[in-house]
Amino acid sequence: DAKTTQPNSMESNEEEPVHLPCNHSTISGTDYIHWYRQLPSQGPEYVIHGLTSNVNNRMASLAIAEDRKSSTLILHRATLRDAAVYYCILNKNNTNAGKSTFGDGTTLTVKP
Amino acid sequence: DSGVTQTPKHLITATGQRVTLRCSPRSGDLSVYWYQQSLDQGLQFLIHYYNGEERAKGNILERFSAQQFPDLHSELNLSSLELGDSALYFCASSVLASRHNEQFFGPGTRLTVL
Repeated sequence: DAKTTQPNSMESNEEEPVHLPCNHSTISGTDYIHWYRQLPSQGPEYVIHGLTSNVNNRMASLAIAEDRKSSTLILHRATLRDAAVYYCILNKNNTNAGKSTFGDGTTLTVKP
Repeated sequence: DSGVTQTPKHLITATGQRVTLRCSPRSGDLSVYWYQQSLDQGLQFLIHYYNGEERAKGNILERFSAQQFPDLHSELNLSSLELGDSALYFCASSVLASRHNEQFFGPGTRLTVL
């Protein structure tokens, strides 16, 4: 199964944009790129997902490289509530998709 | 609040014992997924059920089993517990069978095996 690589940690100042990178060089054509985040003491929370085109929603934007080997989650204005572990994972568009591991993710610290 | 409920919130038991974790998906969701999160392994996918049928298995041990009932709630059974089974167990649900759909996670059950 294709794996993802993320930096262990990143810091941001409040009210500033944050770009969280993810490498997935072995991505296959049927893999969707998903981002989840996990706030302290909570279950993971869906953020955004995409296949080929860039995606926007109320929480964030997802920029996908043309070759799909990397992607970037963009938080336009970080708030203290955005401090969490952000996971980039690949999910196939079928039900027998093998193992789905979240990996270590990126711990985002937001400074006031 | 994701709409997914899990009980119990905390569970403390001894090695060799058997426990059952329960999950109720969001109203209308047919898929239920189970994950294990431990300090050294991260968040690992265990198993996926859709409308009562097993659809995919991940890193689930033979000592663990799960099922989804006609009312769509699911149970994860862990037997012959070992110290290493201590972890947070999350349940997630989604509308459809494909795991590329948005999953809604419950608050988790923290299992401690002494």
